[in-house]
Amino acid sequence: DTGVSQDPRHKITKRGQNVTFRCDPISEHNRLYWYRQTLGQGPEFLTYFQNEAQLEKSRLLSDRFSAERPKGSFSTLEIQRTEQGDSAMYLCASSVTGGVYEQYFGPGTRLTVT
Amino acid sequence: AQKVTQAQTEISVVEKEDVTLDCVYETRDTTYYLFWYKQPPSGELVFLIRRNSFDEQNEISGRYSWNFQKSTSSFNFTITASQVVDSAVYFCALSDVPGAQKLVFGQGTRLTINP
Repeated sequence: DTGVSQDPRHKITKRGQNVTFRCDPISEHNRLYWYRQTLGQGPEFLTYFQNEAQLEKSRLLSDRFSAERPKGSFSTLEIQRTEQGDSAMYLCASSVTGGVYEQYFGPGTRLTVT
Repeated sequence: AQKVTQAQTEISVVEKEDVTLDCVYETRDTTYYLFWYKQPPSGELVFLIRRNSFDEQNEISGRYSWNFQKSTSSFNFTITASQVVDSAVYFCALSDVPGAQKLVFGQGTRLTINP
């Protein structure tokens, strides 16, 4: 049973650089979510895909953030011109459709911007 | 707007004690779902339970039980006979229906079980 996987697990980058994270959801799940979690806080919703369509974006997702899910399978989250405030854990989750179901989370990508 | 409040930031108990984690939510929706997740030191969020707004029956799963009360907008989680392995951060979350069904999380409660 393969769960949600994320790559890389850790990323250290200098301010102003671009970074890209990848998420591979559970294979039969067509819903995919990105969340961001800062220290001592609960995860906050960033964006949501159903298949390849990005259907909702949070106000937290500034113009420097972009997400794609080109073939309705894996997804990428890119942050351009990173800022120190972008340092956080980026979590990916997936679920099935047809109702409200639990989301299964990946291990996350921890981003540190120096 | 939806909101979840977990007023207990940290709880520390001795092994075998019972412990209850509180969760209070706010929503204007009549249909919604509530969840609990566990985040152990490894960091990965683990799903524990899902409950819809029309089902107020309490649920028990082994040492875990959940008490859902719409009248007080609460969805509390009790661990009976706690064990060291229960040490983790626990999050309560609320999902909107329909729409993205994104999860709105509380701030979490850090539970430490001491041997």
